[in-house]
Amino acid sequence: AQKVTQAQTEISVVEKEDVTLDCVYETRDTTYYLFWYKQPPSGELVFLIRRNSFDEQNEISGRYSWNFQKSTSSFNFTITASQVVDSAVYFCALSVRNSGYALNFGKGTSLLVTP
Amino acid sequence: DTAVSQTPKYLVTQMGNDKSIKCEQNLGHDTMYWYKQDSKKFLKIMFSYNNKELIINETVPNRFSPKSPDKAHLNLHINSLELGDSAVYFCASSQERGGGALTDTQYFGPGTRLTVL
Repeated sequence: AQKVTQAQTEISVVEKEDVTLDCVYETRDTTYYLFWYKQPPSGELVFLIRRNSFDEQNEISGRYSWNFQKSTSSFNFTITASQVVDSAVYFCALSVRNSGYALNFGKGTSLLVTP
Repeated sequence: DTAVSQTPKYLVTQMGNDKSIKCEQNLGHDTMYWYKQDSKKFLKIMFSYNNKELIINETVPNRFSPKSPDKAHLNLHINSLELGDSAVYFCASSQERGGGALTDTQYFGPGTRLTVL
């Protein structure tokens, strides 16, 4: 069975602070996919990044960066110099072929960035 | 140029009624999904269709019936609505590759907020 744990339920930071959202996953499949999605107050689910299990390269996209470590089964997400517009719920998710590639979501981390 | 669209966006109805939510994707994907997001924001898979065939059917009551008339559409019909069905329902689509050995990103529709009174 697959499981995704986002231990941080809520995080509150002041604008311009850096913040890291943690994600730990469990799976016995050797091929799997990891995702981060953002859900702003308007409610839509916005895709941020996808990582394949065979690609451990970390990624940076503007103020966003992701650290994928298979040794610790973690896929953490860092926002540098946070902005008020980053306020949202962030979901980490895992998919595997045996589950028809359905996304298995963590419970989400609610990030509040205040001015 | 909406990639994944859902109608309606909001649905308010009485207990016991039957309702449908429609989903369409214009991305040319072969796999579509329905997810339910409850009041605590927890997202859970309900159904998945690949090339109009049911792939995933999680422990969802029989009152929920998905229908896929073609690869671009996956509709959700709900019979005898109950209070506990109130939630946000998201449709998503993705493309499998390599004969199903690989998959691409799932893109989501805007969601349908269902309120059962």
